[in-house]
Amino acid sequence: DAGVTQSPTHLIKTRGQQVTLRCSPKSGHDTVSWYQQALGQGPQFIFQYYEEEERQRGNFPDRFSGHQFPNYSSELNVNALLLGDSALYLCASSLPVRGSTDTQYFGPGTRLTVL
Amino acid sequence: AQKITQTQPGMFVQEKEAVTLDCTYDTSDPSYGLFWYKQPSSGEMIFLIYQGSYDQQNATEGRYSLNFQKARKSANLVISASQLGDSAMYFCAMREAGGGFKTIFGAGTRLFVKA
Repeated sequence: DAGVTQSPTHLIKTRGQQVTLRCSPKSGHDTVSWYQQALGQGPQFIFQYYEEEERQRGNFPDRFSGHQFPNYSSELNVNALLLGDSALYLCASSLPVRGSTDTQYFGPGTRLTVL
Repeated sequence: AQKITQTQPGMFVQEKEAVTLDCTYDTSDPSYGLFWYKQPSSGEMIFLIYQGSYDQQNATEGRYSLNFQKARKSANLVISASQLGDSAMYFCAMREAGGGFKTIFGAGTRLFVKA
């Protein structure tokens, strides 16, 4: 049973550049959420995708955008990178259960460094 | 507003002993879910245990149990018979039924298991 996979593992960019991170959900899952985890902090919710639509967004600027494909995989795009965007970016997948009970399963993350 | 508080930045435990990691939460939603995740140095968030707000029994999963005290709004994780491999960051998280699909995380507790 394939778990959540993310690519690339590590990425180094310079300020002002754009980056795309990729995620494939766990087998059988069709909902994907993205989180940003700064060093020494807990993950912060960026947004969630379901049926190729963004259905909820956290407190992140429009520089952060995403996409979900028909095979449920997802991309996170960040434009005009800032030094503060350096973080571990985690993708999580879950079943489309409405409410508070669905358990999210996380990938290994992409560590982004902005110089 | 929903909030998770983990007041222990770091904890030490002797191998084979039990340890309790504290978590308090704040919510006005009567329906919510509480989660604990383990994050080793590799970065991947590993789901450990789930407790629903209407669950009458404390959740248990192998060596993990959740001490759920609803009136005190606490959801402490108990790890029995600690192993060296339990050394990691531990995060408490919550999702409200009325909060959409966003999961919020605490700041985490780093657990060190001593041989």
